[in-house]
Amino acid sequence: EIVLTQSPATLSLSPGERATLSCRASQSVSSYLAWYQQKPGQAPRLLIYDASNRATGIPARFSGSGSGTDFTLTISSLEPEDFAVYYCQQRSNWPLITFGQGTRLEIK
Amino acid sequence: QVQLVESGGGLVKPGGSLRLSCAASGFTFSDYYMSWIRQAPGKGLEWVSYISSSGSTIYYADSVKGRFTISRDNAKNSLYLQMNSLRAEDTAVYYCARPIVGATSWFDPWGQGTLVTVSS
Repeated sequence: EIVLTQSPATLSLSPGERATLSCRASQSVSSYLAWYQQKPGQAPRLLIYDASNRATGIPARFSGSGSGTDFTLTISSLEPEDFAVYYCQQRSNWPLITFGQGTRLEIK
Repeated sequence: QVQLVESGGGLVKPGGSLRLSCAASGFTFSDYYMSWIRQAPGKGLEWVSYISSSGSTIYYADSVKGRFTISRDNAKNSLYLQMNSLRAEDTAVYYCARPIVGATSWFDPWGQGTLVTVSS
């Protein structure tokens, strides 16, 4: 099983600041990595797939980068609605996909 | 618009059974792989099962293999998850999810989820 480790567990920032979230895989997943946003009481929403492609309707302030084992989700300037939990997911060894444990982005 | 609506969750005793349903609309259901993904209370996401568009190919996570059965009825635009021999650790919100066009494993949209609680 490919284990995804996200850091930090919690990130405290203010609106307007830049957020950088990390996801590290226990072995190479090439570019087969996605990022999701989940708000309380809601289902996850796809933000980024194939490491760097924004999903339909996702604002340009969200960007993804990385390949192999190290990946980053960057939110260039935080909006109030961006405070949520973010998960990474790999599909390198499909069908055995796995998710990271999540990073909580909270308002400072 | 594309919509997935789960139902069938509830409280069940350990060892019991439950059948979840997911009603799909707004897209050609028979064209897509479908999946169930769950989230224990306050925890992260765990993939549970896949089924191919025709239903001929099925995969399960080891944690549910032999106890859960995924199926679909393309004529009814519906996805199902039969859960038997339920355990406390199966307590979770269960989501059905569709992959994006051209993929099998990047999920969007998801349903709103249905809560399964396994407790005596």
